[in-house]
Amino acid sequence: AQSVTQPDIHITVSEGASLELRCNYSYGATPYLFWYVQSPGQGLQLLLKYFSGDTLVQGIKGFEAEFKRSQSSFNLRKPSVHWSDAAEYFCAVGGSGNTPLVFGKGTRLSVIA
Amino acid sequence: GAVVSQHPSWVICKSGTSVKIECRSLDFQATTMFWYRQFPKQSLMLMATSNEGSKATYEQGVEKDKFLINHASLTLSTLTVTSAHPEDSSFYICSAEAGGWDNEQFFGPGTRLTVL
Repeated sequence: AQSVTQPDIHITVSEGASLELRCNYSYGATPYLFWYVQSPGQGLQLLLKYFSGDTLVQGIKGFEAEFKRSQSSFNLRKPSVHWSDAAEYFCAVGGSGNTPLVFGKGTRLSVIA
Repeated sequence: GAVVSQHPSWVICKSGTSVKIECRSLDFQATTMFWYRQFPKQSLMLMATSNEGSKATYEQGVEKDKFLINHASLTLSTLTVTSAHPEDSSFYICSAEAGGWDNEQFFGPGTRLTVL
C-alpha cells in the first residue's frame, strides 16, 4: 500500500536555527517525491521534488531534501529558518504521469524569536 | 510556472443547496485533474481523478452522486456538491497535471465551503 508518514505533527524552532522535517514513504514502484508548503487558508506551494538522479535536491526558499532509498526517507532540511517559514509542510509520493499523490498528515512548523 | 485557479475562493450556502466549484488551468492544458478535500488541521485526501472527456474515477468512500465532477475541456474541471450538508464543509483543492512524465501537479488555491 502506498503511504507517507510524517512522524512529527508539530515542530518549534528558533529563528536562525536549522530545521529537518522527516518523511518516510511506502510505494510499490519508483517513487516520485514532493514537499509542499501550505500557509493557513491557502493552497499548496511546491518546495521541491525528486524523480531521479542526484539524491540531494535543492528547492525554493533555501530548502533541500535528500532521498535515501535504503531508509525510504525524503527528509526536508533548511540550514537557517526564517519566521516566514512558519506553515504546514506536506510530504507526498506519487508515480509516473496521471497518478494522484498520496500525502502525509503534515508537520506544522512554528518559528520563535 | 503553470497556474491553476479555483472559483470561488470561499462560499457559504444553506443546507440542501448545491454548490459548483471551478478549477481552471490558466496557461496549460491539463489532461488530468484531481480533486482533494482537506479538513481543518488535516492532510489532503484524494476524492477523485478526472480525465478530460471521460468519467471521473472516485476514491472509495466518496459518493459520486453527491460530488459530481465534470471535466469538459482540457482547461476546466468542475466539482458540484449536491444537496450540501454541514458535514460537507471543508477546504476543497484541485490540482492539474499537464501530462508530462514527471507527474508534477499544480495546485489551485483552494475553495473554502461552509454549509449552514
